Amino acid sequence: SQKIEQNSEALNIQEGKTATLTCNYTNYSPAYLQWYRQDPGRGPVFLLLIRENEKEKRKERLKVTFDTTLKQSLFHITASQPADSATYLCALNAGNNRKLIWGLGTSLAVNP
Amino acid sequence: NAGVTQTPKFRVLKTGQSMTLLCAQDMNHEYMYWYRQDPGMGLRLIHYSVGEGTTAKGEVPDGYNVSRLKKQNFLLGLESAAPSQTSVYFCASSLAGTGGYGYTFGSGTRLTVV
Repeated sequence: SQKIEQNSEALNIQEGKTATLTCNYTNYSPAYLQWYRQDPGRGPVFLLLIRENEKEKRKERLKVTFDTTLKQSLFHITASQPADSATYLCALNAGNNRKLIWGLGTSLAVNP
Repeated sequence: NAGVTQTPKFRVLKTGQSMTLLCAQDMNHEYMYWYRQDPGMGLRLIHYSVGEGTTAKGEVPDGYNVSRLKKQNFLLGLESAAPSQTSVYFCASSLAGTGGYGYTFGSGTRLTVV
């Protein structure tokens, strides 16, 4: 079956360290993969998009990699801050170009 | 810019009642979506629209109807509310639907059906 998986366990890291979140998928060949941040009681906020022909994308302290052979994307936050604490969702397009398929998200807590 | 605005933010309904959730976007986006988000289930697409006057079913459309009479507005209706429709509802919009553009989400509507 087709599925998209993110670490279900919360990730706790110390301020200043690099947070690395994983998004794995099976049985898809997405052209795009997206990452979002969601705070409690709020809607997801778009962070980054990476295309299948791009291996890496950066935006300020954020970096996303996309390995279509491993069927995996990694999301890195460098020099993490307590304000980075949130749930991070990955999503990919799934053949039908009008829909995104969503992971359940990984909760990140950055401790001061 | 306001982005995507959802109303109301909270609502409690009795089983069998009907209601309409309103979504408005001011970014001139063609595509609009209604999702529900439940613990352990993630975001699930209810209905979507690829342009003014169009609507299409998502993965969980039963019990809901939608309309997009104006490009900027996307309405979600619950015809006869059931406790299983207790959820947080999010509206989103995107410039296009290929997955090559990020979605802009509203702040959500928390609906409880008793």
